Amino acid sequence: EAGVAQSPRYKIIEKRQSVAFWCNPISGHATLYWYQQILGQGPKLLIQFQNNGVVDDSQLPKDRFSAERLKGVDSTLKIQPAKLEDSAVYLCASWAGTGGYTGELFFGEGSRLTVL
Amino acid sequence: AQKITQTQPGMFVQEKEAVTLDCTYDTSDPSYGLFWYKQPSSGEMIFLIYQGSYDQQNATEGRYSLNFQKARKSANLVISASQLGDSAMYFCAMREGLSRGNTPLVFGKGTRLSVIA
Repeated sequence: EAGVAQSPRYKIIEKRQSVAFWCNPISGHATLYWYQQILGQGPKLLIQFQNNGVVDDSQLPKDRFSAERLKGVDSTLKIQPAKLEDSAVYLCASWAGTGGYTGELFFGEGSRLTVL
Repeated sequence: AQKITQTQPGMFVQEKEAVTLDCTYDTSDPSYGLFWYKQPSSGEMIFLIYQGSYDQQNATEGRYSLNFQKARKSANLVISASQLGDSAMYFCAMREGLSRGNTPLVFGKGTRLSVIA
C-alpha cells in the first residue's frame, strides 16, 4: 500500500513570494490534514478535510494561507505572500475512518519550507 | 491551556536500558485517545502506540508500553531495551471526542531522546 505522498520535499523562497505544496493521501482515506511544524515544536493543525469538505480551518491564517481538496483525493496548500515565520515543515496526514475509534494518522515525509 | 504537556525537552538513556517519556494531558471529554509518535531526523512521523480512555489495560506494542494513569491524566511512554535507532523526537498526542466523530490530533512539544552506546 502506497503511503502519503508530498511534494516538493524542500523549497526555499524569498519573503512575499508564493509557494504551493501538494499531498496525495493513502487511497480511500476520507480525512486529510495539513499540519505546520516549526523547528523544535510539535505539529500544529492548519486545516482538516473530510472528502472535499472543510471540517476545521480555525487555525489557518486565511489572509495568506489557502487549501483545497477539490475531488476529495489530493490536496494543495498555498501560501501567498510568505513571511519569515512561515519557515517550517508542512506535514500532510490522512486517516481512513470518519468517526468512532480512530486508528492512527498516516503522515507524509513533509515539505520543508525556508523563507529568506 | 495546553492540551498536551511534555516536560522533558531532552532525555539520555544508555543502550539496552529502559526509559520513560512523560506526557500529561488536559481534557474534560470522557471519550478520548492518546497516541505516541516517533520522528527521526529524516522527518517522517511514525505511529508507535495508542491508548483509548475506556481501555482497561495499558497498551503494549513490542518494546513500547504506555503507562496510562487516568486519574492523574498521564500517559507516559516506556521504551524497554533501548537501541541506538530509538534516538529521535517523540511526540505525545490526543484526540478528544471520539464519540462525536472526526476530531484532529493535538500534539505536545515533544521530547528528544538520545540513546548512548
